[in-house]
Amino acid sequence: GQQLNQSPQSMFIQEGEDVSMNCTSSSIFNTWLWYKQDPGEGPVLLIALYKAGELTSNGRLTAQFGITRKDSFLNISASIPSDVGIYFCAGRRYGGSQGNLIFGKGTKLSVKP
Amino acid sequence: GAGVSQSPSNKVTEKGKDVELRCDPISGHTALYWYRQSLGQGLEFLIYFQGNSAPDKSGLPSDRFSAERTGGSVSTLTIQRTQQEDSAVYLCASSLEYRVTEAFFGQGTRLTVV
Repeated sequence: GQQLNQSPQSMFIQEGEDVSMNCTSSSIFNTWLWYKQDPGEGPVLLIALYKAGELTSNGRLTAQFGITRKDSFLNISASIPSDVGIYFCAGRRYGGSQGNLIFGKGTKLSVKP
Repeated sequence: GAGVSQSPSNKVTEKGKDVELRCDPISGHTALYWYRQSLGQGLEFLIYFQGNSAPDKSGLPSDRFSAERTGGSVSTLTIQRTQQEDSAVYLCASSLEYRVTEAFFGQGTRLTVV
């Protein structure tokens, strides 16, 4: 099925550094979501975006819904070891099923203390 | 329970056998979703239940896959005549009505077909 283009696939950074990852789609989305998944767990929602141009923060996390409605980014500032995990973007297309979220393949974040 | 509960947490089955995966949603959640996560991939939508409405089965990959939701609560995902490519983590989520963006996921069932 359709998947979003998420990049980078992995990041290996120093503690304290800022992180940026993004997702793009060929389709217009009406919702963008960012999740974090720890090993052996289900994804946990970090930020939800509902309007083009919307910029939302959750602690050290900031995400934006792109103006074109085809992209979104997530920034993490001053990374700490517990930020380690896999981050997924997800979105819902205009006219798509209520329950059908399209997911990216994830960005694996590793943090050196 | 407080969260979405899935069982078993791990399942190893022989190719050709049928398997049933169970999901207990959060109490009061009328919407229930099944997703599949293959190794190194994102989640892939399978099926969506909303109250008493007909489920959205558009994500089921073949007719070997089926799901039901009894009494508007517990759901069972059944895979018949399993194949090796069915090996994946099967995740269930639930939410209030029409609130997929606020869904809570379970820990998943890791299915391995040998």
